[in-house]
Amino acid sequence: GAGVSQSPRYKVAKRGQDVALRCDPISGHVSLFWYQQALGQGPEFLTYFQNEAQLDKSGLPSDRFFAERPEGSVSTLKIQRTQQEDSAVYLCASSLKGVAGARSSTDTQYFGPGTRLTVL
Amino acid sequence: RKEVEQDPGPFNVPEGATVAFNCTYSNSASQSFFWYRQDCRKEPKLLMSVYSSGNEDGRFTAQLNRASQYISLLIRDSKLSDSATYLCVVREGDSWGKLQFGAGTQVVVTP
Repeated sequence: GAGVSQSPRYKVAKRGQDVALRCDPISGHVSLFWYQQALGQGPEFLTYFQNEAQLDKSGLPSDRFFAERPEGSVSTLKIQRTQQEDSAVYLCASSLKGVAGARSSTDTQYFGPGTRLTVL
Repeated sequence: RKEVEQDPGPFNVPEGATVAFNCTYSNSASQSFFWYRQDCRKEPKLLMSVYSSGNEDGRFTAQLNRASQYISLLIRDSKLSDSATYLCVVREGDSWGKLQFGAGTQVVVTP
């Protein structure tokens, strides 16, 4: 079946531009995560959605980063006024179930191929 | 200090040999542990979960030592296709399931 898809796969932006990155999770998956992976590093958590509710945005590095999932399926990560330090691969992951309270899920997270953002 | 620390390698391994490497984690409240595999310019993929009793999946064996807060991965009879970066991953309780990744250990299997 179809996995997690992300678009665009590559994005080059000039410093100061706004960008929007899209994630299509696996159909029916309740949980959706965004991660940022800098070169040579492991992915770092950005934000978590359960259906349309953004329950954790503690990893967003600044108020230039904004994420939404208005209908509980597709999600968009928006970065305003991009800076060179925003250059990274942005990964989206989804998992089947939600989590009651803040307890940790036991679900497997399935990752999309990522969007490689380069800010010049 | 990072939550999850790994030796970046690379570990250069002859085909057919055994390679093992560890990672350490700092949060003693961590609940779940995994190894993910990431090929160059690809997304991370779950290799295996790590259980307290240790577990095997074919040529791969994972161990967890909660007292010392480290996780290990051993690959037997290495194949060329095992060349990848192996990411040590920890999931904490009360965290909505978010994953904490190490920076990865690179393994290069040579003919």
